[in-house]
Amino acid sequence: DAGVTQSPTHLIKTRGQQVTLRCSPKSGHDTVSWYQQALGQGPQFIFQYYEEEERQRGNFPDRFSGHQFPNYSSELNVNALLLGDSALYLCASSPGWIAGTDTQYFGPGTRLTVL
Amino acid sequence: SQQGEEDPQALSIQEGENATMNCSYKTSINNLQWYRQNSGRGLVHLILIRSNEREKHSGRLRVTLDTSKKSSSLLITASRAADTASYFCATDSMDSSYKLIFGSGTRLLVRP
Repeated sequence: DAGVTQSPTHLIKTRGQQVTLRCSPKSGHDTVSWYQQALGQGPQFIFQYYEEEERQRGNFPDRFSGHQFPNYSSELNVNALLLGDSALYLCASSPGWIAGTDTQYFGPGTRLTVL
Repeated sequence: SQQGEEDPQALSIQEGENATMNCSYKTSINNLQWYRQNSGRGLVHLILIRSNEREKHSGRLRVTLDTSKKSSSLLITASRAADTASYFCATDSMDSSYKLIFGSGTRLLVRP
C-alpha cells in the first residue's frame, strides 16, 4: 500500500518565478492538506482540499494556490516566488470521513530553494 | 502563528536513558498529537490523545495531557540511537478543526 507521495524531491527556482508541487494521497484518502516548514521551525498550515474544494486556508497570501483532482491528488502552486518561500513543503492526507484533524499521514516533502 | 511550544528545544541523552519532552498550547483543543521527523524529511505520526484522556501508551511511548494547564508531555523510555529525531506536538483547535497547529519542536540526540 503506497503512502503519500510527493514530487519533485528537490527544486531550485529564482525570485519571481512560479512553481508547482504535486502530491498523491495515501490509498483510500480523499483529503489533502499542505504545510510549509521553514528551517528549524514546525510546519505551518497552508490549506486543505476536500471534494476538489479548498475547505480551509491558513495565513498565506494569494500567491499560494492549490487544486485537487478527481483522483484526489493535489497540486500546490506558488507564484512570484520570494526568498522567504524557501522551505520544505509537506503534503498530508487523511480520510474525509474522519472528523477534524485525526491522524494525518505525511509525505516526504519537497525541498524548495529560491535564489 | 504557532500554537504549541516544546520544551526543551534540544535534548541530548545516552542510549538506554529516558527522554521527556513537554508541549504547551494556547487554546482549547479536541486532540493533541505527537509526530517525529528525521533529518528534515516527512513527519511520522506517533500518538494521538483526546481532550478527555489523561494518559496514553504506545510501546515505549507515554503521553500525558493536562487540559487545565494546556500542556502535554511525551516520554520515550529506554531510548535508542534510532530515536534521534525532531519531535513535534500538534493540536487542532475548537474553532478550526481541519488544520494541525504545530509547535517548534524538540531536537533529540541519543548518543550510542
